[in-house]
Amino acid sequence: EVHLVESGGDLVQPGGSLRLSCAASGFTFSDFPMDWVRQAPGKGLEWVSVISGSGERTSYADSVKGRFTISRDNSRNTLYLQMDSLRVEDTAIYYCAKDIQRATFDAFDVWGQGTMVTVSS
Amino acid sequence: DIQMTQSPSSLSASVGDRVTITCRASQAISNYLAWYQQKPGKVPELLIYAAFTLRSGVPSRFSGSGSGTDFTLTISSLQPEDVATYYCQKYGSAPLPFGGGTKVEIK
Repeated sequence: EVHLVESGGDLVQPGGSLRLSCAASGFTFSDFPMDWVRQAPGKGLEWVSVISGSGERTSYADSVKGRFTISRDNSRNTLYLQMDSLRVEDTAIYYCAKDIQRATFDAFDVWGQGTMVTVSS
Repeated sequence: DIQMTQSPSSLSASVGDRVTITCRASQAISNYLAWYQQKPGKVPELLIYAAFTLRSGVPSRFSGSGSGTDFTLTISSLQPEDVATYYCQKYGSAPLPFGGGTKVEIK
């Protein structure tokens, strides 16, 4: 069974840093692009970042560009999101998600349960 | 960047009603459009991709249509378990924005 488990969410002060992890199982991790999506309390879904299966291609939403870095370790079947210069408006549940197709940035067929990031002084 | 706009933002309908949700892209996106359902307190789930391809296991009362800039999600006969917020998403190339969501309630 395909499974994604996020970890690393915490309470952090504005300007601080945090690294999220997403452990994947049940599929050939290196074959698929992976994404981070966030949802602020009571708000809609916001796509954050995507990384190709090899890790060579990445892309970011304008709201996090220059502050967040997506990466992956295919030997550990793990996706990461390094979050620096955090702002109050980054407060959200952060989900990792698997793309449905191998070759392109695609729709998301599997989602993790999410990890909560709270940015507050 | 392409923006995705959904309407309405919320709706209330009776059990058995036909419900239609619209999603508009600011530029043509061919059929690179997905629909997700997020029930209260739950993780989003993929319903439809490639504008009209129903994901395996999704009830046939859900259907998608459209191409280019205008897309529609239809629930042919609303059921109590369909209470949720529905999101469209453009994909195919980054960025991969979502629409603002449509909250569906039972009247």
